[in-house]
Amino acid sequence: GQNIDQPTEMTATEGAIVQINCTYQTSGFNGLFWYQQHAGEAPTFLSYNVLDGLEEKGRFSSFLSRSKGYSYLLLKELQMKDSASYLCAVRVDTNAGKSTFGDGTTLTVKP
Amino acid sequence: GAVVSQHPSRVICKSGTSVKIECRSLDFQATTMFWYRQFPKQSLMLMATSNEGSKATYEQGVEKDKFLINHASLTLSTLTVTSAHPEDSSFYICSATDRSVYEQYFGPGTRLTVT
Repeated sequence: GQNIDQPTEMTATEGAIVQINCTYQTSGFNGLFWYQQHAGEAPTFLSYNVLDGLEEKGRFSSFLSRSKGYSYLLLKELQMKDSASYLCAVRVDTNAGKSTFGDGTTLTVKP
Repeated sequence: GAVVSQHPSRVICKSGTSVKIECRSLDFQATTMFWYRQFPKQSLMLMATSNEGSKATYEQGVEKDKFLINHASLTLSTLTVTSAHPEDSSFYICSATDRSVYEQYFGPGTRLTVT
């Protein structure tokens, strides 16, 4: 079976830094994705990790440790518009690109 | 960037009727398309994987006779919800990958309400 765990909710202050963790136990692993999803909208791609280490992209960074089955998404200089759900997804199938999604972490940014 | 469209964005139908949702890749060839369903405050649940020119692969627990998927071309896949019931009301999202299979490009979603 597939199991992906993320915290359900997090709250942070505008301008601060927040780290959203994701642990996974899956039958296969061919990369880990982070998506942002605002209410009523489709997910948008944030980052992709397939090798261990940190990937930085502007205010967003994502880290992966395959041996620990662990990833985190780091958001810096938080803005109000960052309030959204953040989904961790593991691609379990190389050929078809099939991914399994975590339940998502709802982040609320307060002034 | 790669763009995926869905139509309609919102649909309300009566119980017992069928609804067709279209998913199109606008600027790339989608070798694989995925159909998801998302209930309020829940994550995306994969319903089926659709490959162009072949039958869709359904996830466990998804009725293939109720959720008909057709992937007739490299740019179009359709999901038909047959004999819809109120419990089928949900947010349906498609995504597509190209031959690189690097990331999924998501459509904007279709909000289905069955009355």
